[in-house]
Order: sequence, then structure tokens, then C-alpha cells
Amino acid sequence: GQSLEQPSEVTAVEGAIVQINCTYQTSGFYGLSWYQQHDGGAPTFLSYNALDGLEETGRFSSFLSRSDSYGYLLLQELQMKDSASYFCAVRPRGWGKLQFGAGTQVVVTP
Amino acid sequence: NAGVTQTPKFQVLKTGQSMTLQCAQDMNHNSMYWYRQDPGMGLRLIYYSASEGTTDKGEVPNGYNVSRLNKREFSLRLESAAPSQTSVYFCASSDANGDTQYFGPGTRLTVL
Repeated sequence: GQSLEQPSEVTAVEGAIVQINCTYQTSGFYGLSWYQQHDGGAPTFLSYNALDGLEETGRFSSFLSRSDSYGYLLLQELQMKDSASYFCAVRPRGWGKLQFGAGTQVVVTP
Repeated sequence: NAGVTQTPKFQVLKTGQSMTLQCAQDMNHNSMYWYRQDPGMGLRLIYYSASEGTTDKGEVPNGYNVSRLNKREFSLRLESAAPSQTSVYFCASSDANGDTQYFGPGTRLTVL
């Protein structure tokens, strides 16, 4: 089976750094993806880690450690527009389709 | 490019009514998906289509049917709506591996 765990909510001030952890139980998967969803909007792809290590895309970075069954999304220099829900997802081998975590709501305050 | 489009945006049904949600993509993707999203939960896969002419069940297929009309279009049908199907429905498409998916704007469905 497959389950992904993320914190339900994180609050931080503008300019701060937020780390959203994603832990999972799996017998094998292709990679770890992250999606962003604003209230009332559609999920949009943010990043993908096929291999262990850090991937950086502007203010956002994503990390994967298969040996620790753990990944995270790092949001730097937080802006008000970063207030949204963030979902981690994996594509398990044998199933092949994305399975999503329940999501972390990030609230950015002035 | 419009990406992934869905119709309608909102719908209210009475228990037992039927309806079809429409989805189209213009990115020439082979794979298409239907998800539902409920409060406090992630996206759950209802059905997917790996290519034109093929469909397969996801995690929560009961009460739904799908049709992959052609490469662009993938529709979701509720034959006899139930209050438990009140949800937001998203269509998505992807290239072959499915790690990067592109989502439509969603259909907000309420079943009374």
C-alpha cells in the first residue's frame, strides 16, 4: 500500500522560510512530485524529484531521501501569493498513477 | 493554447439525476485522468485513460463511468447521482509517465 503524510497547516510571515515535510510508506516509486493549489483554483505542478537530493526552482526547492522515506518542499522569501495548499504525490511502481497526500495549507501573514 | 478545459464550472443535481462532465485538452497528451477532491483530502483518482480507446479504474470508480471519445476528450458520467458524490471534480492530462499533470479548472458539483 501507499500513504503520504503531510502537516495540515503551516503559518509564517512574509519573507520567512517554510519547509513542508512529506513522509511516505512505499515499496517503491518513480519519484516525488509537488503541486500548488490556490483556493478555488486548480492544482499546478511545482517540482519533481526522480533522484535523491535537492532540486531548486527559483524561490522553491524540493528534496528527496529514499533511504529516509522522506521529502520536503522549501519555500523561501515567502510572499502573500504563496498562501495556498501544497500537495506531495508519488507514482508507485506497479500502480503507475499519482497518489496525493492530503495537502498542507500554507498561510502567509503580513 | 487553452490547456485543459472543463464544462460545466458549477452544477447542482437532485439525487438520482444523471449528468456528464466534459473535459478536453489541446496538448496532444496521451494520458487523461478524472479526480475528485473533498475537503481535507487530497485528490483521489476516479478513472484514467492511458491512450485513446482505453480506460481503467482508479481508487474510487464506483458510481461513475467514463468515455475517451478521442485523443482530446475524456468525459465522466454520473448515472444516478448521490449526495456522497458532492465534490470538486478535476480533469488532468499528462505525457506518458504521468508525474507532471496539467489540471483543468474543475467542476463544483452539489447533489441534493
